[in-house]
Parts: sequence; structure tokens; C-alpha cells
Amino acid sequence: DVKVTQSSRYLVKRTGEKVFLECVQDMDHENMFWYRQDPGLGLRLIYFSYDVKMKEKGDIPEGYSVSREKKERFSLILESASTNQTSMYLCASSEGGGRAETQYFGPGTRLLVL
Amino acid sequence: AQSVAQPEDQVNVAEGNPLTVKCTYSVSGNPYLFWYVQYPNRGLQFLLKYITGDNLVKGSYGFEAEFNKSQTSFHLKKPSALVSDSALYFCAVRDMRPSTTSGTYKYIFGTGTRLKVLA
Repeated sequence: DVKVTQSSRYLVKRTGEKVFLECVQDMDHENMFWYRQDPGLGLRLIYFSYDVKMKEKGDIPEGYSVSREKKERFSLILESASTNQTSMYLCASSEGGGRAETQYFGPGTRLLVL
Repeated sequence: AQSVAQPEDQVNVAEGNPLTVKCTYSVSGNPYLFWYVQYPNRGLQFLLKYITGDNLVKGSYGFEAEFNKSQTSFHLKKPSALVSDSALYFCAVRDMRPSTTSGTYKYIFGTGTRLKVLA
């Protein structure tokens, strides 16, 4: 069974703080993704990574950065948290290779920025 | 641009009745379509996908989905709903063109439909 874990289920931060969200997958997947989920908007892609140290911007990268130093770990960084970044953050991984790939999701981190 | 639409924010159905959760798509070419389910306070779980072949796809937990090319739809169905099926359901489509940098495909998700199965 593929397992994707996220470091925190709930997080409360103050405006301006630097926030780190961690994601780890145990299936040696090439691709990893960060989404945010907001009511009425579905899932929106923030960033993805297709290899160690390789990343690409998704649809809403502003205010975020990412890091992938090891294949199994993909971090999302909010450089200076703002209230409009209050959301549910979901990490996912997939095999890679260009097929119709199933994505495997972590349980999510619900972030509240005050 | 590719997109998926889930026209219903919420679907209510009585336990034991058949259920349908609707999804329509807009892509150029042949679509790769997915359904995921999200239970409360959990991440998304894969239910099923359509790549090619038989228009009726069977998935986990007794769910199935019918691909209809002429109507550009991929509706999720189950013959007999259970209270435990109550969850948030997402339809998704693979983007037609991969990233020119990495060759990675992105996936476009619908806004979700909340299914409530009433006892």
C-alpha cells in the first residue's frame, strides 16, 4: 500500500511567519504535488516536482516555494504567511512515466493563519 | 483549456437507492478521467479511472462510472447507496499536454460534489 504522510494535521500560524509543510511518500514515486483545497474551488495545484531538486510551478505558485532534497520528501514553504493562505493543503505522489497516473494523497494539513 | 465540471454541489439519496454523481469534461482529444473520494478529515482516495476501452469502468467500493464521448460526461454511479458512501467526490482529468520541461502531466480537478446518503 502506498503511504503518503504529512507532518501536521492542523497548524495555526501568525501572519508573516515562515511555515513549513512536510510530505513523505514511501513508494519511490517520481512525481510529488502540492495542492490547496478550498470550498467551491476544488483542488488547485501549487507546485510539483518530477525528480530530486527539480520543481515546476503549478497554477497558483505565488507566495509559496518548495524543496525536494530527497526523493521521498517534498516540502511546501510559505515564506511569509498571510490570512488568504488559510486552507487545506494536500500532498500527492504518482509514479511518473507519462501514463494515466493515479495520484496518492496524504491526509492533508489544515492551516489557519491569524 | 481543459476543464471538468461537477454541476451539483450536493446530492442527497436514500440508503439503498441508486446514486449518480455527475461530471462533464472539456478536453481536446481523448481524455483520461478519474474519480476520487474524500472522507471527512482525510485525503483523497482513488476510486476509478478511464483511459480507453470499455465505456463502463468498475472501481472500488462498488462504484462504477460511464464514459460518454458524445455527451462529454463521466458520471459516477452505484446501484445501491450506503450511509458510509457519504463523502466528497471529485472528478479529475489529465491535462492533454505534458510539461515541456519535465514531461509531467498535471491533473485538473472539479470543484467536488458532496454526497449525503440518508438512512
